[in-house]
Amino acid sequence: QVQLQESGPGLVKPSQTLSLTCTVSGGSISSGGYYWSWIRQHPGKGLEWIGYIYYSGSTYYNPSLKSRVTISVDTSKNQFSLKLSSVTAADTAVYYCARNDLGYCSSTSCYPSGMDVWGQGTTVTVSS
Amino acid sequence: QSALTQPASVSGSPGQSITISCTGTSSDVGGYNYVSWYQQHPGKAPKLMIYEVSNRPSGVPDRFSGSKSGNTASLTISGLQAEDEADYYCSSYTSSSTPHVVFGGGTKLTVL
Repeated sequence: QVQLQESGPGLVKPSQTLSLTCTVSGGSISSGGYYWSWIRQHPGKGLEWIGYIYYSGSTYYNPSLKSRVTISVDTSKNQFSLKLSSVTAADTAVYYCARNDLGYCSSTSCYPSGMDVWGQGTTVTVSS
Repeated sequence: QSALTQPASVSGSPGQSITISCTGTSSDVGGYNYVSWYQQHPGKAPKLMIYEVSNRPSGVPDRFSGSKSGNTASLTISGLQAEDEADYYCSSYTSSSTPHVVFGGGTKLTVL
């Protein structure tokens, strides 16, 4: 079955760029049919959606993070990645990647259905 | 402040039923049938329990059910079991601002 695994530095300095990668196994990103998502959870808090990407490269971001977020996909490696720039302590969180099933699709985009496969999460601390 | 409003906590005894509400607006919960519910045990990744308001993924017990009325979605767990004790989050597609996804603040379920 499909499995997701996050990887990247666990410690990032303030003002730098957080970079994480999610490796997909047991299925192919390029087969389509899903959005590939990033979600984070601040310590002791709820879930926050960061954004998602389609295999074609179309992206959708949380408006509150859009100016600092870039999500990209590398279908040759079956990976998708998150970059969050100008980080502060407020970006300290557990970061999850997830597969997002699709609902109705128009000619230009699809509605997101449920996130049915999740990675185990990776903790990122922003500190000098 | 989360875009979707959930009660901070609910509780119930084994065998009982509980309902968790998730209130949004006509731009999200009320306008689209793309509401999902997730269960999260401490230290674990969330697990999808309900998608598109009322559909259960394979493997999720039929004790879990979802519904929606107006701008409020609900998750009902019947026949509560000890292992149901967890945090529960709702999410919805939203057309507010640019299209995206919003989560509720989460509800801690305690099985007494």
